[in-house]
Amino acid sequence: TQLLEQSPQFLSIQEGENLTVYCNSSSVFSSLQWYRQEPGEGPVLLVTVVTGGEVKKLKRLTFQFGDARKDSSLHITAAQPGDTGLYLCAVFTNDYKLSFGAGTTVTVRA
Amino acid sequence: DSGVTQTPKHLITATGQRVTLRCSPRSGDLSVYWYQQSLDQGLQFLIQYYNGEERAKGNILERFSAQQFPDLHSELNLSSLELGDSALYFCASSSRLAGGLYEQFFGPGTRLTVL
Repeated sequence: TQLLEQSPQFLSIQEGENLTVYCNSSSVFSSLQWYRQEPGEGPVLLVTVVTGGEVKKLKRLTFQFGDARKDSSLHITAAQPGDTGLYLCAVFTNDYKLSFGAGTTVTVRA
Repeated sequence: DSGVTQTPKHLITATGQRVTLRCSPRSGDLSVYWYQQSLDQGLQFLIQYYNGEERAKGNILERFSAQQFPDLHSELNLSSLELGDSALYFCASSSRLAGGLYEQFFGPGTRLTVL
């Protein structure tokens, strides 16, 4: 079983719509990271959340860490085609190993 | 551009063969991480080296091995290749953030196709 469960697996929306993707686990984490991966490229770090209940904003992207630090969500407002990509959540299982969820593939249609 | 370089970009080979993937970390980074990304398994951590020494091991098969050289570049050796080894292989190096956290910078990957 995956340490991190991401949902939905695929999401296709029209430009201008909002979307939310989720990352859930039964384990508690000291921090959680979100990455975006575009086709043909490696993942790029978007944000790190560390405090239960924390909300971080990156332009039209809003990240939330659950109060119990077991889950996280990523909300995109007024999505644009440039937001298309694979969104991955990840946690360090110790200081050095990064464990990723399976990812949500987001497609924003113009 | 993450600053992490990987070669080759694409590799096509046959079952039973051996290949070597190369990675150079960002300038100043001592760690190198290797990951495998396939459609059915997602992005899986394989192995990490720090300043030439193996530091952590993940889901790496015995047919696979890696090393990090004194100039900090790393090579991932894949032998007795099987069809199921076809995947994207990423290398990453890390930088320490505030609060003791780490950010990993990924290279562009090597797409391995085993025929």
